[in-house]
Amino acid sequence: GAVVSQHPSWVICKSGTSVKIECRSLDFQATTMFWYRQFPKQSLMLMATSNEGSKATYEQGVEKDKFLINHASLTLSTLTVTSAHPEDSSFYICSASRSSSISEQYFGPGTRLTVT
Amino acid sequence: QKEVEQNSGPLSVPEGAIASLNCTYSDRVSQSFFWYRQYSGKSPELIMSIYSNGDKEDGRFTAQLNKASQYVSLLIRDSQPSDSATYLCAVNMGSGAGSYQLTFGKGTKLSVIP
Repeated sequence: GAVVSQHPSWVICKSGTSVKIECRSLDFQATTMFWYRQFPKQSLMLMATSNEGSKATYEQGVEKDKFLINHASLTLSTLTVTSAHPEDSSFYICSASRSSSISEQYFGPGTRLTVT
Repeated sequence: QKEVEQNSGPLSVPEGAIASLNCTYSDRVSQSFFWYRQYSGKSPELIMSIYSNGDKEDGRFTAQLNKASQYVSLLIRDSQPSDSATYLCAVNMGSGAGSYQLTFGKGTKLSVIP
C-alpha cells in the first residue's frame, strides 16, 4: 500500500498563534512531499513541494515565512502556519510520492484548520 | 499556462449505468495521468493512473488516454450510489525541476441516483 497520515485531523486556534501539522508516509519512503490547501467547493491549490533534507519550493503567492515547511526525513514533513489569521482557515492536505513512481501522489486525510 | 479542464457537472447517472468523465489538458509533453476520487470533506484518493495511449481497466473503472487529442477519460461501469463524489483529473506536465508536480482539474461532481 501507500498510506499517508496527517496529524491533527482538525485544529482550532486563536488568531496570532502558530499551528504545526505533521504528514507521515507510513509504509514507504517519500522522496517528495507536497502541501495543498483547499477552500470549500474549490479545487486543490498546491502550496509547496518539499524534498527530504532540502528547502521547500513554494508556489507563487505563498508566503514562505508564514507557511514553514520542514522535511526532516523520508517519512515526515511538517507544515507550520505561523501567526495564523482567520483567512488561513482551510483544509490542508499533504501528499507523498515514492521514487519508484515519482509523479503518483498519495494523499493524507487532511487537516481542517479553523482560526478564531 | 498549463491547464487541465473538466466539466464541473454535476453529472447525474442512474444506478447501474455507465458514468463517463472527461478531461482535456493543454501540455502536449505530459506523460502521466491520474484520476482521484474525493468525497465531500475528505482528501483525494488515487483510483487510476495511466501513462500510455489506450485503455486501462481496473475493476469497474476504465481509464482512456488519447495523447494526440490531449484527452483522458474515466468510465465507471455499474455505477453505485457510493461512487457519488467529485472526480479530479490530474496531469504531470513538463520536465526538469518540478516535473513531478501534478496539475489538477477543478473536478467533476458525480451523482449516482438509486
